[in-house]
Amino acid sequence: GAGVSQSPSNKVTEKGKDVELRCDPISGHTALYWYRQSLGQGLEFLIYFQGNSAPDKSGLPSDRFSAERTGGSVSTLTIQRTQQEDSAVYLCASSFSVRGELFFGSGTQLSVL
Amino acid sequence: GNSVTQMEGPVTLSEEAFLTINCTYTATGYPSLFWYVQYPGEGLQLLLKATKADDKGSNKGFEATYRKETTSFHLEKGSVQVSDSAVYFCALPTNTGNQFYFGTGTSLTVIP
Repeated sequence: GAGVSQSPSNKVTEKGKDVELRCDPISGHTALYWYRQSLGQGLEFLIYFQGNSAPDKSGLPSDRFSAERTGGSVSTLTIQRTQQEDSAVYLCASSFSVRGELFFGSGTQLSVL
Repeated sequence: GNSVTQMEGPVTLSEEAFLTINCTYTATGYPSLFWYVQYPGEGLQLLLKATKADDKGSNKGFEATYRKETTSFHLEKGSVQVSDSAVYFCALPTNTGNQFYFGTGTSLTVIP
């Protein structure tokens, strides 16, 4: 498809389990961002990838969170030993240019029971 | 550093009413400014943007003017419709583009 694709759209997991969230950005977009949106909250920045440069991980809330981007395309956000406070919508966005328009996926709704 | 402050919601308006959602920013330099909209059950999408001072972004009847003097980028629409019910976010990038700062979002409900 032409847009940013995220999977799964919904994920229910038990506390303590690991989860992987996937983002497939628009082809040719070199910038990729992960954000977290909690109920009633704004968007919380998590991590930024730009081309082949080292990612900006300054927004990751704990060392349980990690992300990678393979071949400058698909990205995976991994949350280890999930906690209930990790429950949120995880949004991925990509952009063709730095500081340019962001194109968002529909998000992954994560629920940790 | 760069930041945005957005009017708190929620906002409820009758159809055809005038809408203003305030957004002010703090920035070094003159970054592009953006309004994103999130319709129920959907991801965020760009509504409009302005790339330099005095620019007016417009789309779907919405407008916002990049005002350097008042460091503002208020969103306006002269006559809202039920289909405009959504959450609206003001945003700007850092100077390096490593992240975008988003306002807290303003929920708009338009009633017939």
